[in-house]
Amino acid sequence: AQKVTQAQTEISVVEKEDVTLDCVYETRDTTYYLFWYKQPPSGELVFLIRRNSFDEQNEISGRYSWNFQKSTSSFNFTITASQVVDSAVYFCALSEHSQGAQKLVFGQGTRLTINP
Amino acid sequence: DAGVIQSPRHEVTEMGQEVTLRCKPISGHNSLFWYRQTMMRGLELLIYFNNNVPIDDSGMPEDRFSAKMPNASFSTLKIQPSEPRDSAVYFCASSPQTGDAFFGQGTRLTVV
Repeated sequence: AQKVTQAQTEISVVEKEDVTLDCVYETRDTTYYLFWYKQPPSGELVFLIRRNSFDEQNEISGRYSWNFQKSTSSFNFTITASQVVDSAVYFCALSEHSQGAQKLVFGQGTRLTINP
Repeated sequence: DAGVIQSPRHEVTEMGQEVTLRCKPISGHNSLFWYRQTMMRGLELLIYFNNNVPIDDSGMPEDRFSAKMPNASFSTLKIQPSEPRDSAVYFCASSPQTGDAFFGQGTRLTVV
């Protein structure tokens, strides 16, 4: 069975600090996708990134970066120079590609609070 | 594109009443998902459709829950009769064949 573990339930840092959110996954599939979503206080789920299992290159997008390591089954997310607007719950997810659709299995989420 | 549109945004109903949640997926997306978010269980998949056909409803909690997708631009999730433990945020998401899932803003359901 597929499983995603986000061991950090809550993280609180001061603005401008760097912060890393951990994500560890379990799957028996050789082909899979990993995702990060952001859920701000307003409640919607915002797509941040998708990574396929064959691409272990790190990704950087502005202040956001992602480190995918198959050897440790991890897909960690780092925010550099954090800002108050980054405060949200962040979810890591793993997809099971089933009959043309991608079912997402979510971690429990990490609540990130950036203090001014 | 307006994104995935869910209605209503908030619903408060009395136990025993029927509740219908609605979703309009992004045009051109052929997969549609219903997820439920609760404090205890987090985000869990209830059911998903591919090309309007239900593929996997193993996440539907019990027979009180049903979902339909009569056409490519509309889906409903119905709870009948509703119970207080059904209180949650229900998300609809859509995706293209092998693409990323985009979520609606959710419907916050409270059953009293």
